[in-house]
Amino acid sequence: DIQMTQSPSSLSASVGDRVTITCRASQGINNNLDWFQQKPGKAPKTLIYAASSLQSGVPSKFSGSGSGTDFTLTISNLQPEDFATYYCRQYSSYPVTFGGGTKVEIK
Amino acid sequence: EVQLVESGGGLVQPGGSLRLSCAVSGISFSDHYMDWVRQAPGKGLEWVGRCRDKTNSYTTEYAASVKGRFTISRDDSKNSLHLQMDSLKTEDTAVYYCVRVGRTYYLDSWGQGALVTVSS
Repeated sequence: DIQMTQSPSSLSASVGDRVTITCRASQGINNNLDWFQQKPGKAPKTLIYAASSLQSGVPSKFSGSGSGTDFTLTISNLQPEDFATYYCRQYSSYPVTFGGGTKVEIK
Repeated sequence: EVQLVESGGGLVQPGGSLRLSCAVSGISFSDHYMDWVRQAPGKGLEWVGRCRDKTNSYTTEYAASVKGRFTISRDDSKNSLHLQMDSLKTEDTAVYYCVRVGRTYYLDSWGQGALVTVSS
């Protein structure tokens, strides 16, 4: 199975900050990775697919990059509604696997 | 309006069975793969399994943790997806999400989730 390691597991940031979350795959997955945002008690929401493509309706403050084994999600100009938990997921091979999540909290 | 609505969740004893359903409306269903993803209380996301479309013979894939106990099926005439869960264990307690898979295999639409609690 491909292991997805997210870092950090949590971070504290201020409104207006730019934050970067990293996801590392245990083997190459090309660009078969997506990113999700989840708020407490709510279903996840897809932000990015194919490592860097923005899902329809998602603001451009969210961006993704990477290929192979190392990927990043960057959130610019952090706003109160962005405080949530973020997950990556690889869909290069079965079983599909998720990262452990990164909780973004208000400093 | 895009809607994926799960139903059938509830409390079941260990060893018991439960069947979840997902009704899909407002988006194309029959020509898309469909996944189930779950989330145990306070934990991260876990992929449960997939049902491919008619073109791919409705074949399925499962996570090792549920293989042989869970069965995914679909009814394209009713735009519905099902998850039959047998021999349930306490560790199957989770919110179960129905998710549509996009053309390039990313997850493009999520249901609101159904809570399954396995407890005596």
